Amino acid sequence: EDQVTQSPEALRLQEGESSSLNCSYTVSGLRGLFWYRQDPGKGPEFLFTLYSAGEEKEKERLKATLTKKESFLHITAPKPEDSATYLCAVQTAQGGSEKLVFGKGTKLTVNP
Amino acid sequence: DVKVTQSSRYLVKRTGEKVFLECVQDMDHENMFWYRQDPGLGLRLIYFSYDVKMKEKGDIPEGYSVSREKKERFSLILESASTNQTSMYLCASNSGGVINSPLHFGNGTRLTVT
Repeated sequence: EDQVTQSPEALRLQEGESSSLNCSYTVSGLRGLFWYRQDPGKGPEFLFTLYSAGEEKEKERLKATLTKKESFLHITAPKPEDSATYLCAVQTAQGGSEKLVFGKGTKLTVNP
Repeated sequence: DVKVTQSSRYLVKRTGEKVFLECVQDMDHENMFWYRQDPGLGLRLIYFSYDVKMKEKGDIPEGYSVSREKKERFSLILESASTNQTSMYLCASNSGGVINSPLHFGNGTRLTVT
């Protein structure tokens, strides 16, 4: 069964304290991995797509990386406005059909 | 910028009522989706549609139906609302012509069934 696991469930950082969020997956036929940011009371907002192991994408203080079994979202010198829930989703292809499997998210709180 | 608009932010309905959740997207996307999001369970796919009048069941279609009469509009219908359908409902869309096209989400409808 396709599975996406995010850790930790919650992370509390001080402003400027860099860290990483993890998304590990066991799926058949990886087509792509997505990172989303979700603010309270809002829908998820797309951040990155990664397609193959070794790929990296950056946006401001965020950098996403991908290996064959997991992805990391590195947050460098975070600010309070980076506080949100970060969701990982994996696009799989099996038996001719595609499916998007979401992790349960990591809730990040950045204290000033 | 893609905009996915859900008609209601909050809804309170009684058990047994028929409930309509409406979603409109303005980017001419072929694909539209309905998810529900619950604490500890994450996002779960209810139904999706690849084209007008087409629909496919997702992972948890029981108790729901959908309608897509126009390309830009996708409706979720709860035929007879029950308390276990209290949830946050998220509509999303993406382009069918682009491989790995990311989903664009609306801001959700928080439905409470009493």
